[in-house]
Amino acid sequence: GQQLNQSPQSMFIQEGEDVSMNCTSSSIFNTWLWYKQEPGEGPVLLIALYKAGELTSNGRLTAQFGITRKDSFLNISASIPSDVGIYFCAGPGGSQGNLIFGKGTKLSVKP
Amino acid sequence: NAGVMQNPRHLVRRRGQEARLRCSPMKGHSHVYWYRQLPEEGLKFMVYLQKENIIDESGMPKERFSAEFPKEGPSILRIQQVVRGDSAAYFCASSSLPRDRHYGYTFGSGTRLTVV
Repeated sequence: GQQLNQSPQSMFIQEGEDVSMNCTSSSIFNTWLWYKQEPGEGPVLLIALYKAGELTSNGRLTAQFGITRKDSFLNISASIPSDVGIYFCAGPGGSQGNLIFGKGTKLSVKP
Repeated sequence: NAGVMQNPRHLVRRRGQEARLRCSPMKGHSHVYWYRQLPEEGLKFMVYLQKENIIDESGMPKERFSAEFPKEGPSILRIQQVVRGDSAAYFCASSSLPRDRHYGYTFGSGTRLTVV
């Protein structure tokens, strides 16, 4: 079945550093979604991408829809402590209503 | 304009008991989706319901799990005879249209089920 692989699994960075993470799939996706989940909460949508090559920003976050349509990247610039959380990529699955999620990249930021 | 409301936030059940998780969708939304998140994992789709109908239950375990979304009231995810492996966070999302998955659903804060 469809699977999304995220890397790295976890990151420990210093406040102010830039962060890069990615998500790959064995099959083509027409939509890529990036979510952030904070402890004890549900995931919150950060960015949605719809076109191969598309680059979209949301404040210090920038995400790209890979040209092959099998990958996507998320960058966070000048990280701050409140960026801590787990970042998930997701895309539409094979059936109605179904979103497929990666296992997430856990980000820790040292002040 | 309240978001997706889930209750309880935390639920502890002994092995063999029943767990009932409730989800009230956003106002005006008639499509509800349930997802399960095991520790250190991403969310996994369980079931998609419209009012009074199950549309897709391909992610639902075949036994002990059931879901409903009645004409009135919240959607309910019911787990009978819980086992330790059912311990997880259960999230609900809602939308006004199923194609909203392409725009990203709004999720509730989840119910954390612990089976002891």
